[in-house]
Amino acid sequence: DTAVSQTPKYLVTQMGNDKSIKCEQNLGHDTMYWYKQDSKKFLKIMFSYNNKELIINETVPNRFSPKSPDKAHLNLHINSLELGDSAVYFCASSQDGSQPQHFGDGTRLSIL
Amino acid sequence: GQNIDQPTEMTATEGAIVQINCTYQTSGFNGLFWYQQHAGEAPTFLSYNVLDGLEEKGRFSSFLSRSKGYSYLLLKELQMKDSASYLCAGFSGGYNKLIFGAGTRLAVHP
Repeated sequence: DTAVSQTPKYLVTQMGNDKSIKCEQNLGHDTMYWYKQDSKKFLKIMFSYNNKELIINETVPNRFSPKSPDKAHLNLHINSLELGDSAVYFCASSQDGSQPQHFGDGTRLSIL
Repeated sequence: GQNIDQPTEMTATEGAIVQINCTYQTSGFNGLFWYQQHAGEAPTFLSYNVLDGLEEKGRFSSFLSRSKGYSYLLLKELQMKDSASYLCAGFSGGYNKLIFGAGTRLAVHP
């Protein structure tokens, strides 16, 4: 059973398009996260939700909008995609912020 | 700021021991995590230190000195499959988030 699953695994699209990435966890965790890992492999937090409530919102363009319909799901919608959005986006979950996080396999987003 | 510094790359020989160091600013962090990330894969949790001292888990051990803002990950009996990036991450209790270092890329040679 996959603990944290995100779809799609690969996303290739054109500049200006709108796209969504979905994430689901079956670990019963209360907290979920979105990270961006750029070409230099720096893993940076974007958003965090605890039990459907937004608790971390880093300095991210408002083209990025997370949505958590329930505590097992955290989706990421991106409007008006730009070249600089090309990266790997990881979803993760943990029981709370101080506990080990479990990561999904990542979504490789490429903007043409 | 809450900077985390670790070497960019290291190489080691199969069967040997390697120590990957991580330094951070002492204020603001309540614990120190280590994650392993193979190329093209997700990070996976290795260890977590909250108190000073050594935590041992099989071939991997992690050490923390909070007063010195220093941690290391020790890998023993290196295997080829240990070739990966090792990410040091500080847990900021005040902001309730992990702050990752840039990672150390370890190459294990026969």
